[in-house]
Amino acid sequence: AQKITQTQPGMFVQEKEAVTLDCTYDTSDQSYGLFWYKQPSSGEMIFLIYQGSYDEQNATEGRYSLNFQKARKSANLVISASQLGDSAMYFCAMREDPYNQGGKLIFGQGTELSVKP
Amino acid sequence: DSGVTQTPKHLITATGQRVTLRCSPRSGDLSVYWYQQSLDQGLQFLIQYYNGEERAKGNILERFSAQQFPDLHSELNLSSLELGDSALYFCASSVAGTVLDRTGYTFGSGTRLTVV
Repeated sequence: AQKITQTQPGMFVQEKEAVTLDCTYDTSDQSYGLFWYKQPSSGEMIFLIYQGSYDEQNATEGRYSLNFQKARKSANLVISASQLGDSAMYFCAMREDPYNQGGKLIFGQGTELSVKP
Repeated sequence: DSGVTQTPKHLITATGQRVTLRCSPRSGDLSVYWYQQSLDQGLQFLIQYYNGEERAKGNILERFSAQQFPDLHSELNLSSLELGDSALYFCASSVAGTVLDRTGYTFGSGTRLTVV
């Protein structure tokens, strides 16, 4: 079963506008962590933001915020005031560890974001 | 520089050959994870080591093996290579690997393997 689902293979946004990248997840654990990573065309994986399952407030990091709806099992990434440098692949990931095995990250298929000037 | 060092950055080799990818984790991190990223499979978890011991295994082929050494660096060995093994191989590290670890993984820049 797909643990992390990103339903938008590609997205376009106009520079300076906000954009929301969707992510839904599937887990039966109470303790888990949700992450977003950015992968520019150069290939490196850049950590953007984290949301813990027990966090009461939505996470924010600069222009990035996470719209966390626990009951719906969704963790959408919101990028405000898009910049050309935001053009990249974005991955949602979940960390769960039901068997105390070190908590590997499971990634979604990614969303390719293109920012138009 | 993320602090996770992967070598080599690029590798071109022929089918049937064996290669070794190396990873040095960020200072202080005890967990090392290996991922394979291909166009059709996305980011696939291969294997995790914690302080020298294997902790979790994912979709790792029998032709692939890994280990973590006492100095915490890790090597991923790929043998009997096939064209389909061409991919970007990432190493990542984290402090302890608990689900509520807010820092997540730190990724290396990856090794791009091309099998011809």
